[in-house]
Amino acid sequence: EIVLTQSPGTLSLSPGERATLSCRASQSVSSSYLAWYQQKPGQAPRLFIYAASSRAAGIPDRFSGSGSGTDFTLTISRLEPEDFAVYYCQQYGSSPRTFGQGTKVEIK
Amino acid sequence: EVQLVESGGGLVQPGGSLRLSCSASGFTFSSYAMHWVRQAPGKGLKYVSGISSNGDSTYYADSVKGRFTISRDNSKNTVYLQMSSLRAEDSLIYYCIKGGGSGWSALYAFDFWGQGTVVTVSS
Repeated sequence: EIVLTQSPGTLSLSPGERATLSCRASQSVSSSYLAWYQQKPGQAPRLFIYAASSRAAGIPDRFSGSGSGTDFTLTISRLEPEDFAVYYCQQYGSSPRTFGQGTKVEIK
Repeated sequence: EVQLVESGGGLVQPGGSLRLSCSASGFTFSSYAMHWVRQAPGKGLKYVSGISSNGDSTYYADSVKGRFTISRDNSKNTVYLQMSSLRAEDSLIYYCIKGGGSGWSALYAFDFWGQGTVVTVSS
């Protein structure tokens, strides 16, 4: 099973600042089958990034994903008020699909 | 518009059983695998189970193998999760998810999620 470790656990930033979230895998993620999800309180997760760097439908271009192998990054270029939430990475290249423990982006 | 609506959650005693249902609409249900993922409130996400589009192939996480059974009825556009021998640690939110291909192992991210149903295992 591939273990995904996200860092930091919490990111305290102000609107307009840049956010950089990390996801590290215990072994190489096949063909960059790595996704990022956003979750807000009381809501289901929402797909933001798939295949490490492709934005899902309707996701603004201030969100970008990068990385390969074991190291992946989600970058939010300029935080908007609606971006403060928890973000999870997931690998779906091998079974079982696994998720990271999440990074909370909170308002400073 | 894709819609997934879970139901069947509730309070059950340890050792008891519960069947979750997920009613799907807005897509050709019989063409897609379906999955269940669970989450403790405010905690991380864990993959539970998946089923192929025709129901012939299934997958279970080790933590639920032998206790949970996933099935589907393509005539009713519904996927089920039969849970038995429930434990306190099964007290979680259960999400139904549309797969991206016909096989449960198809390499797609999870693009459509239901709103979840809460299971509480307690005496």
